[in-house]
Amino acid sequence: DAGVTQSPTHLIKTRGQQVTLRCSPKSGHDTVSWYQQALGQGPQFIFQYYEEEERQRGNFPDRFSGHQFPNYSSELNVNALLLGDSALYLCASTRLTYGNEQFFGPGTRLTVL
Amino acid sequence: GQQLNQSPQSMFIQEGEDVSMNCTSSSIFNTWLWYKQDPGEGPVLLIALYKAGELTSNGRLTAQFGITRKDSFLNISASIPSDVGIYFCAGRTQGAQKLVFGQGTRLTINP
Repeated sequence: DAGVTQSPTHLIKTRGQQVTLRCSPKSGHDTVSWYQQALGQGPQFIFQYYEEEERQRGNFPDRFSGHQFPNYSSELNVNALLLGDSALYLCASTRLTYGNEQFFGPGTRLTVL
Repeated sequence: GQQLNQSPQSMFIQEGEDVSMNCTSSSIFNTWLWYKQDPGEGPVLLIALYKAGELTSNGRLTAQFGITRKDSFLNISASIPSDVGIYFCAGRTQGAQKLVFGQGTRLTINP
């Protein structure tokens, strides 16, 4: 049973560029949440997708957007990258209607130069 | 906004010692969770707490949900080298899915 998978593992971009990160939820899960984890900090909630819609959003600017596909996988897009966007981006999945806790993927390490 | 204050920030202990860490909040949470994160990995859920006053164990780990619903603690007994890592508390309010995380406690064990 595959857990949460994320791609790519690492990514290097320059300021002003755009990036897309991908996440496949754990088998049987239908809800995906994205978190940003700066170095030495705890993860911060970006948003959550369920039934292909954004259901809840944290305190992040509109440069951060996402999408969920019919197979429950998800993408996180960040436009106009800033140096401060450098972080580990974590995807977490759950089965919303079962009230399960969130399982986290290994993350994508984004470096903005 | 909601914030969790986790302490201590770091701990240096000898193998076999017991460990205690805690998390406090100015807001009430309906669920408290404790995660462990190893380098290059995502957080892994250790213990979930759903009721004020609840005390739950998972092997050598024990966690409690504070009566005021504004705090939680995690104890690790008889620490072993694989306990090394960063421990995070996280809270969730009623009806919400988003988790609010503490800043983490980095545990280092001297053999």
